[in-house]
Amino acid sequence: SQQGEEDPQALSIQEGENATMNCSYKTSINNLQWYRQNSGRGLVHLILIRSNEREKHSGRLRVTLDTSKKSSSLLITASRAADTASYFCATAIQGAQKLVFGQGTRLTINP
Amino acid sequence: NAGVTQTPKFRVLKTGQSMTLLCAQDMNHEYMYWYRQDPGMGLRLIHYSVGEGTTAKGEVPDGYNVSRLKKQNFLLGLESAAPSQTSVYFCASSYPWGLAGAYNEQFFGPGTRLTVL
Repeated sequence: SQQGEEDPQALSIQEGENATMNCSYKTSINNLQWYRQNSGRGLVHLILIRSNEREKHSGRLRVTLDTSKKSSSLLITASRAADTASYFCATAIQGAQKLVFGQGTRLTINP
Repeated sequence: NAGVTQTPKFRVLKTGQSMTLLCAQDMNHEYMYWYRQDPGMGLRLIHYSVGEGTTAKGEVPDGYNVSRLKKQNFLLGLESAAPSQTSVYFCASSYPWGLAGAYNEQFFGPGTRLTVL
């Protein structure tokens, strides 16, 4: 199975609510990254959290990392219709020069 | 700056035909990657390159070849296309990954939608 597994696979919420997505992984990492993909487009980098960090903020995004549980979460606060997209976590495995992507969470924000 | 560009955007092939996908980046990135994206599978790494003249296999390399003759270009070739290669292909690039483990973000192209009949 893949290194990164995301939960839930799909999430539908009302505009203004908070959205939380989770990512679990199997092996030791150097960092974990989150990307967004709008329908029919390429991925766009959102935020990177290093293995020695526990929490990071960027605007309405909050990422946490628990290396003991090998898991991360992405919180989007005060969601907007424009946040509708797929969100992927990607892990930078120690010793490798590549990222391993999860299967993604499809987020739908209803107006 | 254009960032990462991919050509073509769409292509339909018949089984057995060959084609080359071109990726170009203008950010002077050392590292370049080719992924394929299939429904429910996320992104899977096909091949990657950590510098001009070097390539390495990723997770799903079979049926594909790559070349990195120039730093700014990364070509993905299908010698004999199969229906299983129907997918959306993404190219990405990044700065080198640092000695201290400072792994950098990847910049993605808009994708090539390939259908093999």
